Amino acid sequence: EAQVTQNPRYLITVTGKKLTVTCSQNMNHEYMSWYRQDPGLGLRQIYYSMNVEVTDKGDVPEGYKVSRKEKRNFPLILESPSPNQTSLYFCASTPRGLDYNEQFFGPGTRLTVL
Amino acid sequence: GNSVTQMEGPVTLSEEAFLTINCTYTATGYPSLFWYVQYPGEGLQLLLKATKADDKGSNKGFEATYRKETTSFHLEKGSVQVSDSAVYFCALSAGGTSYGKLTFGQGTILTVHP
Repeated sequence: EAQVTQNPRYLITVTGKKLTVTCSQNMNHEYMSWYRQDPGLGLRQIYYSMNVEVTDKGDVPEGYKVSRKEKRNFPLILESPSPNQTSLYFCASTPRGLDYNEQFFGPGTRLTVL
Repeated sequence: GNSVTQMEGPVTLSEEAFLTINCTYTATGYPSLFWYVQYPGEGLQLLLKATKADDKGSNKGFEATYRKETTSFHLEKGSVQVSDSAVYFCALSAGGTSYGKLTFGQGTILTVHP
């Protein structure tokens, strides 16, 4: 089944404790993105990647890191989480070459930083 | 920069009522426009899309027409069902160097009562 998977689905942590949220897609898509969803703000892009070893900042990159060492994986790293990073996070992927940008979303990771 | 504005929610309707969710956008060039739906506890799914002016996207009884003159992409359904209860997001993709990015509206919560 074609899908985007994220782990963990739920995470409660404390301020300053490094964490990684994994994202994997099995559709051989070139583009991958991370978004955060907050009430009243919709989804905002954190980082995106156009291909292996190619990443760029989105609208809200502060406090986050990413890497793209393999085409299928795009982990999101919070080196020192803070309470304002409590949010619902989505990973998404899209293939290159479409005449429109349909993105395929993972199920989401709900993060709480105490 | 690009932006999307949706009507404020939440929207509460009775089954078989007519639905309109307004969406307007600001973008340079000719963006592609999308409606995504998020059912409770799930990730986002593409509901419909339109890639050029005057295109009408449709799916599952929902429709939206790309109106360049009014920079709008309003979502409509003639007769809603309880199963349509979800959060609806309007989004745009500017393409070009922004191919991997979607810009989202705030989201509109729809609740349909029997």
